[in-house]
Amino acid sequence: AQSVAQPEDQVNVAEGNPLTVKCTYSVSGNPYLFWYVQYPNRGLQFLLKYITGDNLVKGSYGFEAEFNKSQTSFHLKKPSALVSDSALYFCAVRETRSASKIIFGSGTRLSIRP
Amino acid sequence: IAGITQAPTSQILAAGRRMTLRCTQDMRHNAMYWYRQDLGLGLRLIHYSNTAGTTGKGEVPDGYSVSRANTDDFPLTLASAVPSQTSVYFCASSDSGGRAPYNEQFFGPGTRLTVL
Repeated sequence: AQSVAQPEDQVNVAEGNPLTVKCTYSVSGNPYLFWYVQYPNRGLQFLLKYITGDNLVKGSYGFEAEFNKSQTSFHLKKPSALVSDSALYFCAVRETRSASKIIFGSGTRLSIRP
Repeated sequence: IAGITQAPTSQILAAGRRMTLRCTQDMRHNAMYWYRQDLGLGLRLIHYSNTAGTTGKGEVPDGYSVSRANTDDFPLTLASAVPSQTSVYFCASSDSGGRAPYNEQFFGPGTRLTVL
């Protein structure tokens, strides 16, 4: 069965420092991987995705994520955090053989202090 | 372009009552989804529809039903609400399903439902 784990409920970073939000996954086939962001009282917004090819994926707002097949990870990164990056971040995986089954992680709250 | 709209924004409901949450999209996406979001559990898929006229069960379908009479609308019905259905409900759509499963989902603003 496919699953996604976000091991950190909260990540705290000072503004200007690099940030990493961790995600690991488990699927039986090849994965499609996604990151979404949720601001307070809003729906989720798409940030970036990995389909195939280059392991480093660049997305919106300066975020990027690195796909690591051997470690089954897809960590979200940003070189320099902004206070406005403070939000709830979700990793999601969709198994290529079953397009309807997309699984979301439990979410990581990112807090950027000035 | 509105994207996805959901109604109502919030609702307080007595246990045992029937309730329909509405979802409409104007992007002509083939696939639509209903999720519930609970603290510490992330988003869990309730039901989905890959195309108009078809629906499928997600991770937590019990107590919920859906219909997909046309491309744009995907209502979620709670036949007899229970307190454990207190949650925030999100509708989403994507131009994917079997044709392009790697396309991202677009989410509505959510419905906050409280069942007493």
